Amino acid sequence: GIQVEQSPPDLILQEGANSTLRCNFSDSVNNLQWFHQNPWGQLINLFYIPSGTKQNGRLSATTVATERYSLLYISSSQTTDSGVYFCAVGGGADGLTFGKGTHLIIQP
Amino acid sequence: GAGVSQSPRYKVAKRGQDVALRCDPISGHVSLFWYQQALGQGPEFLTYFQNEAQLDKSGLPSDRFFAERPEGSVSTLKIQRTQQEDSAVYLCASSADSVAGGGEQFFGPGTRLTVL
Repeated sequence: GIQVEQSPPDLILQEGANSTLRCNFSDSVNNLQWFHQNPWGQLINLFYIPSGTKQNGRLSATTVATERYSLLYISSSQTTDSGVYFCAVGGGADGLTFGKGTHLIIQP
Repeated sequence: GAGVSQSPRYKVAKRGQDVALRCDPISGHVSLFWYQQALGQGPEFLTYFQNEAQLDKSGLPSDRFFAERPEGSVSTLKIQRTQQEDSAVYLCASSADSVAGGGEQFFGPGTRLTVL
């Protein structure tokens, strides 16, 4: 099956800093999503981005499908950005394959 | 409109008991997925429905796990004779797309199952 690797596994930043999270995947996909899992466990949809670039406020994402990676950018971090960020990809009939996540801590 | 809902939010079972977890997808969504999330890990796929048809159950860990979606809307995940290793958060997701993996999936809040 598809392999998904996320980096870095852990990231600690000061409020106001910018960050880049990376997702590498091992095969072609027709679905790529970025999620933020909040402290209560809810997976919040950030981007549906199988290819191209999207922006939503302080967040943006880019997927280069031909090179099998995606990047999530967070600018001007806030403490409420803390949590686990997951990349998940789908290429067929077996749902999404998730990476292990990046655990982000934003310190005030 | 309402998102995906799941019930109960928390379930404690004694080893050997049967449990049933419910998922209400977003109205009109064709595809429904179940995932299992162990502590500190990403969710892992269990099974997929397109309307009432279960098209993929390759992720179900054992024959103690059974899922159904008889009318193509609400789904139930049943675990028989629960074991301690079944303790996890069970997540349900739905998608308007009829191609598994191809459409944006929206997740419910999950059911946290603890088996004592």
